[in-house]
This record gives sequence, structure tokens and C-alpha cells, in this order.
Amino acid sequence: GQNIDQPTEMTATEGAIVQINCTYQTSGFNGLFWYQQHAGEAPTFLSYNVLDGLEEKGRFSSFLSRSKGYSYLLLKELQMKDSASYLCAVRDGASGTYKYIFGTGTRLKVLA
Amino acid sequence: GAGVSQTPSNKVTEKGKYVELRCDPISGHTALYWYRQSLGQGPEFLIYFQGTGAADDSGLPNDRFFAVRPEGSVSTLKIQRTERGDSAVYLCASSFLRGSPFQEQFFGPGTRLTVL
Repeated sequence: GQNIDQPTEMTATEGAIVQINCTYQTSGFNGLFWYQQHAGEAPTFLSYNVLDGLEEKGRFSSFLSRSKGYSYLLLKELQMKDSASYLCAVRDGASGTYKYIFGTGTRLKVLA
Repeated sequence: GAGVSQTPSNKVTEKGKYVELRCDPISGHTALYWYRQSLGQGPEFLIYFQGTGAADDSGLPNDRFFAVRPEGSVSTLKIQRTERGDSAVYLCASSFLRGSPFQEQFFGPGTRLTVL
């Protein structure tokens, strides 16, 4: 089956660093994605990992370990505008198609 | 250069009624996805189109839900005999190539469906 786990809520302070973890189980792993979703808005793409290791994009980095079924999103120099839900999603290619399975999201609150 | 658009933005209907939700993907995007998102949850996969055909409809909850994409562009999600449990935000997303290693999805703003 398919399963994605991530913490429900996290709180951090402006200027700090926060790491949001995601573990997954899937039969046909074909990439892991992180999305940001502000309340009442559509998800927007943050990062993509298909090979093991760290991908860095400015203040955001994402790490993947396929053998452990584990990823994390690292946010540095937190800003108030980073308060949002962060969605971990796995692309599953087991059936020959490419559907995305999303976790429930981690609500991040950034405090002044 | 418009993004993914969805209409209507809000739909209120009564239990038992039929509704249609429309998605206009980014021009040239071959893949189109429908998701349903309830409050506090992540998007739940419903159906995925590659071109005109439904490549994977395993997420449709039951036979009251149906989606079409007759010309490989605009898609319509159809819900018959709506139930209160169908209330959610319905998100549409599109992307360019199926086989490319990187396939970013672009999401529309969603349609908020409320079934009274």
C-alpha cells in the first residue's frame, strides 16, 4: 500500500531553522515533492528529489533517503510569511501511470 | 501565460443535486489531475488524465464521480446525487510531460463545494 507520515504541527521562531520530516511507503517510488500551501490557497511547488541526497534552493533544502523511505524539508532564516502547511508528496509509478500521493501536511507556525 | 483556472470558485448545492466542476489547464500541459482536499488534510488523489484518456481513476470514491477531458485540454469533474460528505475543495493540477524525470504540477485555485 501507500502511506505518508509527517507531523501535524510545528512551531518555530522567526530567524530560526526548522526541519519537517516525512516518511513514506510506496510500491513504485518515482520522486518525492514538497509543496507549500497557505491557508485558503492552492499548493505551490517547493522542491523535488528523486535521487538520494540534498537539494538546496535558497532558504529551502530537501533531503531524500530512498532506502529509509525518508525525506525532510529544511527551512532556514524563517520568516513570518513561511507560516503555512507543508505537504510531502510521493509520485507513484507502480501502475505505469504517475499519480501523486500527498501526506496530510505539517502546519508550521512562525512566531515573532 | 495564464495558470490553471477552475470554475466556479465556490459552489453551494443541495443534497441529491448534480454538479459540474471545470478545470482549464496550462496550455500544452498533457497531464491533468483532480484532487479533493478536506479541511486539515492533504490533497486526496481522484483521477489523472494523460491526454484525453483517464490514465488512472483509482481515486474516484464511487460511481457518482466521473470526469472527462474530451479534447485533451479542459476537464470537467461531474458529481451525481451529491452528499454532504462530498463537501470539500476540489483542486485541479496540470503538468507537461509524463515521462520526464521532473514533472512539476501547477495547481489551480480550487473549487469549494458545499453540499447542504
